[in-house]
Amino acid sequence: DAKTTQPTSMDCAEGRAANLPCNHSTISGNEYVYWYRQIHSQGPQYIIHGLKNNETNEMASLIITEDRKSSTLILPHATLRDTAVYYCIVRVGYGNKLVFGAGTILRVKS
Amino acid sequence: NAGVTQTPKFQVLKTGQSMTLQCAQDMNHNSMYWYRQDPGMGLRLIYYSASEGTTDKGEVPNGYNVSRLNKREFSLRLESAAPSQTSVYFCASSSTGTGNEKLFFGSGTQLSVL
Repeated sequence: DAKTTQPTSMDCAEGRAANLPCNHSTISGNEYVYWYRQIHSQGPQYIIHGLKNNETNEMASLIITEDRKSSTLILPHATLRDTAVYYCIVRVGYGNKLVFGAGTILRVKS
Repeated sequence: NAGVTQTPKFQVLKTGQSMTLQCAQDMNHNSMYWYRQDPGMGLRLIYYSASEGTTDKGEVPNGYNVSRLNKREFSLRLESAAPSQTSVYFCASSSTGTGNEKLFFGSGTQLSVL
């Protein structure tokens, strides 16, 4: 399974876009990139995932580089409620081992 | 829909005691997972079940056993609890386990082993 590297923490002003980077330089061709977040000690919440193309949903956008070695999660208009730990994860296309790293602590400040 | 339900929410054990953490999902998902999360760390996969009748080890299986009782239920058992097993345990499920779907998590069980 590919490993991911994320910054330990980031700050973002409320109302501004939050851009969270992730490196996954050893990703394989069939591995998806997933983003989850965890607020306080709740169970992680799914945000978005993608394989090759950029993706957008009601929560966020996912930008994956052409070589697929890195990606960026974009929260277009961060709010205080977006303060959480954000996990970038890759998993095998056909398999069930989803490995979490330490994640990025995002602090949204007013 | 309740989603993924874990019981109990809190538990305190003495070293050497045994217990079973229960997990049930009502989304008709095929795959289920058990993770543990230690303070300040990410989640680590203990065991997973790709489908009813199958189970496989994850990153940290030692000291645990699992049972996929049926499609809905996936239990985690600690036969002889140790202080190193103090953690928050999360159960999760997903629809197919093929890699193109999302995990749904329960709210967690906070376990302390004294």
